[in-house]
Amino acid sequence: EPEVTQTPSHQVTQMGQEVILRCVPISNHLYFYWYRQILGQKVEFLVSFYNNEISEKSEIFDDQFSVERPDGSNFTLKIRSTKLEDSAMYFCASSSGGSYYGYTFGSGTRLTVV
Amino acid sequence: AQSVSQHNHHVILSEAASLELGCNYSYGGTVNLFWYVQYPGQHLQLLLKYFSGDPLVKGIKGFEAEFIKSKFSFNLRKPSVQWSDTAEYFCAVNAKTSYDKVIFGPGTSLSVIP
Repeated sequence: EPEVTQTPSHQVTQMGQEVILRCVPISNHLYFYWYRQILGQKVEFLVSFYNNEISEKSEIFDDQFSVERPDGSNFTLKIRSTKLEDSAMYFCASSSGGSYYGYTFGSGTRLTVV
Repeated sequence: AQSVSQHNHHVILSEAASLELGCNYSYGGTVNLFWYVQYPGQHLQLLLKYFSGDPLVKGIKGFEAEFIKSKFSFNLRKPSVQWSDTAEYFCAVNAKTSYDKVIFGPGTSLSVIP
């Protein structure tokens, strides 16, 4: 069964540093997403991406965040200057036809900001 | 704004007991509805989804859910749970006018005792 692959599985970074979280979506999917889950809290929408541009973003997704699909296979989330409150599990997801077809999620990257 | 609430934070059941997890959403328009499951140490997986038609939908592993539009509810059911159903269950909603964004509920942790 096709999978969404995320790397690394765990990243520790110092406050103020830039991090890039990487995702390889399912190859024939066209819609890509980032969600995050702070420990013990609910899964929160960050951003959706289609046709090489952001289609929706949440209020969490401020100027510190950016997404990119640099080479047609990877989908990255960059946090420019990490804060302690960015510590969370970040999930990438992809879909063949948008949210209402359901997502395939990756296994997540646990980001710890110290 | 859309929101999703789940009735129980933590449910403990014995094997073979019946399960019903409550979910309510707030949104006045047409929605798509989902249940996702997250087994311990694993990523989110789609259990079932409702787009239109028969309000009783069947998903994987014997789960089903019923959409009651008048009650803004989408409760998840299973007649007889197994130890392997121990997981976190998330209800989620996607407004059809915001097709690229899914809002998750806070989750219900299910523990099944052998």
